[in-house]
Amino acid sequence: GAGVSQSPSNKVTEKGKDVELRCDPISGHTALYWYRQSLGQGLEFLIYFQGNSAPDKSGLPSDRFSAERTGGSVSTLTIQRTQQEDSAVYLCASSSFRQGAELFFGEGSRLTVL
Amino acid sequence: SQQGEEDPQALSIQEGENATMNCSYKTSINNLQWYRQNSGRGLVHLILIRSNEREKHSGRLRVTLDTSKKSSSLLITASRAADTASYFCATAPYNTDKLIFGTGTRLQVFP
Repeated sequence: GAGVSQSPSNKVTEKGKDVELRCDPISGHTALYWYRQSLGQGLEFLIYFQGNSAPDKSGLPSDRFSAERTGGSVSTLTIQRTQQEDSAVYLCASSSFRQGAELFFGEGSRLTVL
Repeated sequence: SQQGEEDPQALSIQEGENATMNCSYKTSINNLQWYRQNSGRGLVHLILIRSNEREKHSGRLRVTLDTSKKSSSLLITASRAADTASYFCATAPYNTDKLIFGTGTRLQVFP
């Protein structure tokens, strides 16, 4: 596609429910990143993929968070048993090269946990 | 933890003035990048400077890098109201593939 696409753009859920956030990267981009941004804050690194494998999962806040990527393309970030502190904008980005290349960001998925 | 810290946290200037933002980081890096974020939107890449470069220009943007001090600055010259946004530095630590973002500077340019 023309850019990184994320869905849903907005998600409101009740505490304890599971949510799935989807990211469609730019076609051909091998690297895919997930970040979390709380209101007015910087970006918190969650996980990145090179192809379908995730060399670095160090940023996932807890075992309630998981992510997968299939076919070297679409990625899903899953949050189980959501908590209010999970409320944030989840940003996905993709890149065509390794070692700190330019990232192309989607518009984000805003998650609100009531 | 955050790799980069930016200052100031917020900056307000008049159109036509220059805006300078600073970024400090902690570890050795391959490169440093600056991104811009309009309110409620995704980030857009502005410029990348490699660890062996000291200065780089792109239009009204000027970036410097001092690896001995682990710091960088972004200068926006002749600012415009449309430059109003948050600006983030991001570092690519040596031997990793991930980008670590700073805390950001919120720039407000008044017409």
